[in-house]
Amino acid sequence: EVQLVESGGGLVKPGGSLRLSCAASRFTFSNAWMNWVRQAPGKGLEWVGRIKSKTDGGTTDYAAPVKGRFTMSRDDSKNTLYLQMNSLKTEDTGVYYCTTGSSGWGYWGQGTLVTVSS
Amino acid sequence: QSVLTQPPSASGTPGQRVTISCSGSSSNIGTNYVYWYQQLPGTAPKLLIYRNNQRPSGVPDRFSGSKSGTSASLAISGLRSEDEADYYCATWDDSLSGVVFGGGTKLTVL
Repeated sequence: EVQLVESGGGLVKPGGSLRLSCAASRFTFSNAWMNWVRQAPGKGLEWVGRIKSKTDGGTTDYAAPVKGRFTMSRDDSKNTLYLQMNSLKTEDTGVYYCTTGSSGWGYWGQGTLVTVSS
Repeated sequence: QSVLTQPPSASGTPGQRVTISCSGSSSNIGTNYVYWYQQLPGTAPKLLIYRNNQRPSGVPDRFSGSKSGTSASLAISGLRSEDEADYYCATWDDSLSGVVFGGGTKLTVL
């Protein structure tokens, strides 16, 4: 069964940085377009960004609130997705999920909690 | 404020049929597939409907999706207590060049 496991969350001060990881297994990671979705406490889902497979160009797209501050990358040799988050704001607080799927996002990790607070 | 508009809440009694609407525009629902996700309390979202009206394997046929113009709907028939969850619609937005979600609908089974 496909597995996605996020890690790297924690408490960080406003203006700080954090790098999240998503370890993937039991599917061909290199062919997958990967996404990050976040959820602020008690709020709805918000798309953060996506990275295409290298065969499809490996390009990234980001939601407006994180563009210029967050960077997605992937290491296909390690089957791992990354989210580098810089200049963090209190409104970036939430659970961050990595997700993928060929027809809709059928696979999700359990999420990792990021708390931005002084 | 979300790009896609959903009612914040919906409710029904066991066995009833309920529908959840999702309203968008020509740049999102009007030209792209709609997806529906179910999120049970404290868990990750689960794909319920893809490409407007397709069900992934394992999703009961009590769940159905439809789309017309710039709106979409999720219907749940034969409502069960375990259907109590948050439901989100999502699609690509050509103007924003990104995925947009509805604000979510909290379904209560009375």
